[in-house]
Amino acid sequence: KAGVTQTPRYLIKTRGQQVTLSCSPISGHRSVSWYQQTPGQGLQFLFEYFSETQRNKGNFPGRFSGRQFSNSRSEMNVSTLELGDSALYLCASSPTPLAGVREQFFGPGTRLTVL
Amino acid sequence: AQSVTQPDIHITVSEGASLELRCNYSYGATPYLFWYVQSPGQGLQLLLKYFSGDTLVQGIKGFEAEFKRSQSSFNLRKPSVHWSDAAEYFCAVGARGNNDMRFGAGTRLTVKP
Repeated sequence: KAGVTQTPRYLIKTRGQQVTLSCSPISGHRSVSWYQQTPGQGLQFLFEYFSETQRNKGNFPGRFSGRQFSNSRSEMNVSTLELGDSALYLCASSPTPLAGVREQFFGPGTRLTVL
Repeated sequence: AQSVTQPDIHITVSEGASLELRCNYSYGATPYLFWYVQSPGQGLQLLLKYFSGDTLVQGIKGFEAEFKRSQSSFNLRKPSVHWSDAAEYFCAVGARGNNDMRFGAGTRLTVKP
């Protein structure tokens, strides 16, 4: 099976712009989660989507949003970019949950640089 | 909410030496515990996980971890480190019912020849 894929791998934007990142989960996985990784804050949970519905959300401002399509692919969007949004954005997919037990498989990430 | 502490930011070991990376968690119920490894420029790879049952868990690449409820710990061990093990290691705790996984700050492992 192909792993989790994320596009693009690298992105450079300027302050005030918006950006959309894409994630394709492992075939058959219906849950997609997004994380932000920075040297200062480490790995932080952004949100989780399952069956096109946001199930859980981390503590990020409303500028961060996401969605999931019927084929389980997911996108996240960041509007009005700030310098502090520079980070590695990681997507992870999980199989359909069984009794709440989940294992997440991570993609290689998208490195976003905001100038 | 659950949380994880990895007390060691950076550890250096000699190749062939044993390794133990510490992880302490906070969670009100039985946790789901994970160790991931991240090489530079890469995503996270799952080394091993604990959901229930045997408290000594075997993972890939010769790693193992032991869940100790009384100490709220889930330390990662390897009897003999290889140069290719140099990477950043993350301990994570997950809650039942959602995918809000909380990660520790990570421990960077350097392996000396």
